[in-house]
Amino acid sequence: NAGVMQNPRHLVRRRGQEARLRCSPMKGHSHVYWYRQLPEEGLKFMVYLQKENIIDESGMPKERFSAEFPKEGPSILRIQQVVRGDSAAYFCASSPGRGNEQFFGPGTRLTVL
Amino acid sequence: SQQGEEDPQALSIQEGENATMNCSYKTSINNLQWYRQNSGRGLVHLILIRSNEREKHSGRLRVTLDTSKKSSSLLITASRAADTASYFCATELYTDKLIFGTGTRLQVFP
Repeated sequence: NAGVMQNPRHLVRRRGQEARLRCSPMKGHSHVYWYRQLPEEGLKFMVYLQKENIIDESGMPKERFSAEFPKEGPSILRIQQVVRGDSAAYFCASSPGRGNEQFFGPGTRLTVL
Repeated sequence: SQQGEEDPQALSIQEGENATMNCSYKTSINNLQWYRQNSGRGLVHLILIRSNEREKHSGRLRVTLDTSKKSSSLLITASRAADTASYFCATELYTDKLIFGTGTRLQVFP
């Protein structure tokens, strides 16, 4: 049973470009969470999704950021018109249901030049 | 504001010694989880302790939870150089999302 998969592992974008980060949850997990980690800081919650539904997006910036978890395929975190402040590690986690431990992927390290 | 605050921020010990890290939080929780993160890597789940539990063990790890004081501690016994990492507590509120603390950077010298 493969763990949570994220790709790409490293992504470099210039200011104004779009970044797409993908997350495939563990087999059997229908709950996906996205977190952002700035250097030397803890993780900050961004969004919680179940298949085809956004459950909680209270940690998502109001502009330029969006997330989806379609019926088929991975969850996508999309950042439009990236700025240098978006440079961070973005982690995805999945769980089989509420109240269970969350299993984290290896993260995508986004660098905005 | 940050839900979890870890103490100390950094800890340096010799191999064989015990390491204790503390975490305080502010609101009622469903459970509290401890994670380890090696430099530049992903998070590894260590232990989950539910709000109705007071202590849990896993190998060399011992976690306590005091809901009246809104605090938890992680004890690593007989530490090894390979335990060098950052350790985070994360509280799961009744909304399912995890709120992470600021982390304790543990350095174990051989």
